[in-house]
Amino acid sequence: LAKTTQPISMDSYEGQEVNITCSHNNIATNDYITWYQQFPSQGPRFIIQGYKTKVTNEVASLFIPADRKSSTLSLPRVSLSDTAVYYCLVGDRNTGFQKLVFGTGTRLLVSP
Amino acid sequence: DAGVTQSPTHLIKTRGQQVTLRCSPKSGHDTVSWYQQALGQGPQFIFQYYEEEERQRGNFPDRFSGHQFPNYSSELNVNALLLGDSALYLCASSSKGQGNTEAFFGQGTRLTVV
Repeated sequence: LAKTTQPISMDSYEGQEVNITCSHNNIATNDYITWYQQFPSQGPRFIIQGYKTKVTNEVASLFIPADRKSSTLSLPRVSLSDTAVYYCLVGDRNTGFQKLVFGTGTRLLVSP
Repeated sequence: DAGVTQSPTHLIKTRGQQVTLRCSPKSGHDTVSWYQQALGQGPQFIFQYYEEEERQRGNFPDRFSGHQFPNYSSELNVNALLLGDSALYLCASSSKGQGNTEAFFGQGTRLTVV
């Protein structure tokens, strides 16, 4: 399973765009990139998943360059409620994501 | 539509005791995975159940065991509790038929071993 590297923490202010980059140099051909969000004392929540180029949903955008060795989660106009830990994971969707491998994540703090 | 539900929410046990945690998956899901999350760390995979069988296991000792019932609900059992077993235990459900592309997590059970 490909290892991921993320910044340990990031700070932002309300209304700003936040970009969290994840490095996954050993990503395999069949691996997809998935991001989860976790609030204190709650289970992680799926945010977005992609394979290449750009994916956008109502919550975030995911940018994946052609070499797929990194990805960037973009949160537009963050609010205080976006303060959480964000995890980047890679896994083989074709074999059914039999287990999710979480790193230590990125702690995002949004201030007024 | 209820999501993933876990019980109990909090639990305090004494070292050496045994504990059973329970999980009901999201409606329509058939696969249940268990994770252990220590304070300040990401969740660590314990094992996954599908069709009432353990399909994959993480790096956890045999003291950790599980079960899946015909209705897809699941239990996690931990024997001979150690202080280091204190953690948030998370259950995640997904659908094998949909490639397990999105896992839904419960709120977790906070286990404290004293």
